[in-house]
Amino acid sequence: GNSVTQMEGPVTLSEEAFLTINCTYTATGYPSLFWYVQYPGEGLQLLLKATKADDKGSNKGFEATYRKETTSFHLEKGSVQVSDSAVYFCALIAGSYQLTFGKGTKLSVIP
Amino acid sequence: DAGVTQSPTHLIKTRGQQVTLRCSPKSGHDTVSWYQQALGQGPQFIFQYYEEEERQRGNFPDRFSGHQFPNYSSELNVNALLLGDSALYLCASSLGPIGGELFFGEGSRLTVL
Repeated sequence: GNSVTQMEGPVTLSEEAFLTINCTYTATGYPSLFWYVQYPGEGLQLLLKATKADDKGSNKGFEATYRKETTSFHLEKGSVQVSDSAVYFCALIAGSYQLTFGKGTKLSVIP
Repeated sequence: DAGVTQSPTHLIKTRGQQVTLRCSPKSGHDTVSWYQQALGQGPQFIFQYYEEEERQRGNFPDRFSGHQFPNYSSELNVNALLLGDSALYLCASSLGPIGGELFFGEGSRLTVL
């Protein structure tokens, strides 16, 4: 079956620090990969996505590259802001209608 | 343009009761998916509705059922509630069942006592 493993949180960073949240996956077939973000009190929002190997998804300064050889899709941002504090979910869809999510990583950015 | 709206936002039930949650999809969307998010966990797929039919179902018992109406809105029903059904229930809509970006509502928080 499909599964997503992402690094345990919570992660606490100072403003302007570099962020990496690791995500690896197992999937039957050829998945599309996603990062979703959940800000406090809000619904899940799509942050970025990649649909084939070596694709780089990017949005709001965040990036992630689809690495088929390592089955990974790590999320990075060069300089985080307080407004980036949220829960981040790695997810995939492969050969079905359903998204499979990781457990989420809570990020707190302090001034 | 309204996004995905869910109701109620919070509700409390007791074991054995039944609950109905409602979802209106984003304007122009015809597909609705339901997810359960337990505290500290990622969302788990319950089922998806397209053209008023259940297209796919996740690993949830028959106590969980749903419906999609001609206007594309949807309901999630849970019978014989258990303590373990306490969770945030998320509705997501998309244009078409495959490949479309999912837009999520803010969820309905169900507490079972």
